[in-house]
Amino acid sequence: ETGVTQTPRHLVMGMTNKKSLKCEQHLGHNAMYWYKQSAKKPLELMFVYNFKEQTENNSVPSRFSPECPNSSHLFLHLHTLQPEDSALYLCASSQEGGQFEGYTFGSGTRLTVV
Amino acid sequence: AQSVTQPDIHITVSEGASLELRCNYSYGATPYLFWYVQSPGQGLQLLLKYFSGDTLVQGIKGFEAEFKRSQSSFNLRKPSVHWSDAAEYFCAVGWGGATNKLIFGTGTLLAVQP
Repeated sequence: ETGVTQTPRHLVMGMTNKKSLKCEQHLGHNAMYWYKQSAKKPLELMFVYNFKEQTENNSVPSRFSPECPNSSHLFLHLHTLQPEDSALYLCASSQEGGQFEGYTFGSGTRLTVV
Repeated sequence: AQSVTQPDIHITVSEGASLELRCNYSYGATPYLFWYVQSPGQGLQLLLKYFSGDTLVQGIKGFEAEFKRSQSSFNLRKPSVHWSDAAEYFCAVGWGGATNKLIFGTGTLLAVQP
């Protein structure tokens, strides 16, 4: 596996369900990010992890709970979501320190809340 | 505050025609500048980036972009568009610090006519 891998690719869940999104990066990066991409809206940065420590939470509702057990893995735990949470959730990684080379993105998880 | 503007939401060009996608940014210093491309249902792929030096940068898939400090612009160009270039294109502004950050524009959706 190379790059940034996200699973599952598609997820349909009810509003009372609990599910998790997984992201794994094989690039040796030390920072990871969750973005939300909704139709007709800009990419929204949700969470930033730097060396496994959360460094940013952009006023994300508590029904989204991130977890970063190590620099290679990032999870987004979901519970009691709302239909407006339906979106493409993108994970990205980057290398902190030195020249900023930008982010490497995964292919995303398409989430539908019913 | 930092911001990125992509004034064209949707552009249609004929196959073989030239292409220019506009991007303007607001930032106090010279930022890192990026262009990403997103095919339907996929994550974002890095096309090219600018940090310093030569203001004309070459990227993948035959794309190039020119940084113009006086206009705070970083427009993306391609001399001859192929049908496979149909996708959404995002300009991003980044800067280093405790954690590298990227801010994205709202995207330009490119359609290619045969």
